[in-house]
Amino acid sequence: NAGVTQTPKFQVLKTGQSMTLQCAQDMNHEYMSWYRQDPGMGLRLIHYSVGAGITDQGEVPNGYNVSRSTTEDFPLRLLSAAPSQTSVYFCASSPLNGRTEAFFGQGTRLTVV
Amino acid sequence: QQQVKQSPQSLIVQKGGIPIINCAYENTAFDYFPWYQQFPGKGPALLIAIRPDVSEKKEGRFTISFNKSAKQFSLHIMDSQPGDSATYFCAASYGNTDKLIFGTGTRLQVFP
Repeated sequence: NAGVTQTPKFQVLKTGQSMTLQCAQDMNHEYMSWYRQDPGMGLRLIHYSVGAGITDQGEVPNGYNVSRSTTEDFPLRLLSAAPSQTSVYFCASSPLNGRTEAFFGQGTRLTVV
Repeated sequence: QQQVKQSPQSLIVQKGGIPIINCAYENTAFDYFPWYQQFPGKGPALLIAIRPDVSEKKEGRFTISFNKSAKQFSLHIMDSQPGDSATYFCAASYGNTDKLIFGTGTRLQVFP
């Protein structure tokens, strides 16, 4: 049981490049989400999904796209990377009942130069 | 606009001390308040959680105190140990949703 797996762990991009951060979970959780973590700002919700085919925006969605074609996978796409997107990104999953533990991946450290 | 305000930003205590981390919220619709612990290079992990219908919850050395009228809640770590050194986040959610709103985090250092 791997839990939530994020790839890659580290990435350096040039401004304007695009990339996809991968997230997969093997716990059959309905709810998945993406957060970014910046010093002094905590974890901010980017996008979330309550099930396959359903996604919605969080607090800071600009510059990011998501899709959810399967229960297991929830990739995050940066269409045109900007230095302001330099951050640590975390994917999380949980059963959709509002009262249980959210399981986080190990994070992806992204630097945009 | 920060929906969940957390303080202090950092905290240094000696082993055996009782660090206290405070959080405040505005949205009275919040009805689930978890605390997450994060070690360097790792993702956050659930530590303890409380609902607003109770004023206190203990799990081992960790205690959440909840004041519904003041819209505040806090984490107390009894007999703190160097292994408790980590960043702690409070969070809140509401309704039948797992959408968590996090505080800004507190970096705790416990010295031997």
